[in-house]
Amino acid sequence: TQLLEQSPQFLSIQEGENLTVYCNSSSVFSSLQWYRQEPGEGPVLLVTVVTGGEVKKLKRLTFQFGDARKDSSLHITAAQPGDTGLYLCAGPPGAGNNRKLIWGLGTSLAVNP
Amino acid sequence: GAGVSQSPRYKVAKRGQDVALRCDPISGHVSLFWYQQALGQGPEFLTYFQNEAQLDKSGLPSDRFFAERPEGSVSTLKIQRTQQEDSAVYLCASSLKVGNWDTEAFFGQGTRLTVV
Repeated sequence: TQLLEQSPQFLSIQEGENLTVYCNSSSVFSSLQWYRQEPGEGPVLLVTVVTGGEVKKLKRLTFQFGDARKDSSLHITAAQPGDTGLYLCAGPPGAGNNRKLIWGLGTSLAVNP
Repeated sequence: GAGVSQSPRYKVAKRGQDVALRCDPISGHVSLFWYQQALGQGPEFLTYFQNEAQLDKSGLPSDRFFAERPEGSVSTLKIQRTQQEDSAVYLCASSLKVGNWDTEAFFGQGTRLTVV
């Protein structure tokens, strides 16, 4: 059973458009992380959100953690071709110290020039 | 080195063959993780080391999978009698501190294993 569901699975947009991708769960997570993975590379951490309702900004990327800590979103403003990649959310299941991460299947984003 | 290095980058194995995948973590990193990423999927946890101690191997899919980190630096993931369902990208990650969720882990490029 996949505890983290990401949507949409695929997204193809034109340069300059805005987009939002979602990471949802029926379970509460103590935190969620967002990664970006390019073909042939390992995932690279973008941000960790910890507090319910938290909003973090990273240049044109805005990350939000739901109040109930069951969902998160990533909003990209004025997307650029360099934003192309697989966006993955991940979080530690359960509470407390947990070294494992549960991963979503990812959203594959293509930004066309 | 500057980052996590994995070798080989690509491995083709005949079904039934044993393979060994190597991970060189960032120097001084205490924690080391192995993940398996099937095509179109997110990574799945395999095992975790804190220095040379394997503290969690609950994600290893069968007893054909074995990982070691004898000196607390380089790690090897060994798969015996490979099967087609073992085909995946195997990712290694390391982090400076004890591997809690809030410690950033740096990933290698992965080894793409294809079992034919």
